[in-house]
Amino acid sequence: ETGVTQTPRHLVMGMTNKKSLKCEQHLGHNAMYWYKQSAKKPLELMFVYSLEERVENNSVPSRFSPECPNSSHLFLHLHTLQPEDSALYLCASSHGRGQYEQYFGPGTRLTVT
Amino acid sequence: DAKTTQPPSMDCAEGRAANLPCNHSTISGNEYVYWYRQIHSQGPQYIIHGLKNNETNEMASLIITEDRKSSTLILPHATLRDTAVYYCISRGSYIPTFGRGTSLIVHP
Repeated sequence: ETGVTQTPRHLVMGMTNKKSLKCEQHLGHNAMYWYKQSAKKPLELMFVYSLEERVENNSVPSRFSPECPNSSHLFLHLHTLQPEDSALYLCASSHGRGQYEQYFGPGTRLTVT
Repeated sequence: DAKTTQPPSMDCAEGRAANLPCNHSTISGNEYVYWYRQIHSQGPQYIIHGLKNNETNEMASLIITEDRKSSTLILPHATLRDTAVYYCISRGSYIPTFGRGTSLIVHP
């Protein structure tokens, strides 16, 4: 166990659905991250979120929107996704933004039909 | 980030040492080297990091060459559970960039 939990672990959704992924960290960290891992592709950073600010990867489509209500919780809201958005979505946390010692959750395996 | 180069795959016998190389010839003086691994269908796991001195923890040892152009992650007694993709990352920019790593297969 890494101290970072993600729910749900598996999600199947249609292209017209709205769903949310949840991440919670119990490590006292103050920065949280969303990554996307598609089949046979390197891990891709989507968003960094800290108390100070949110940093977006400009290539992330607006159908993905993060929310960080406090330093322990991070959400990824999904709407009108495409089949190519099917991937493993990973949450991570660290002491401070920009720290490379990150602790990852187990991921949510998302399938868009 | 300095570019890192790793072999795409390696294999190792169970109980033997697994030595995973990483080339980071363009690394600058203040860039740390980080290692992660990712077991199939799980999130990446932080292993170890170092700047210029060799480092050891309960998981592995990290040997960095004196010129810092390469490093080796050593799993001293590999087990089947060490089968994973191992990523070597050098810290330059503020967010890590994970490449394709080395797929290590530990066989009985």
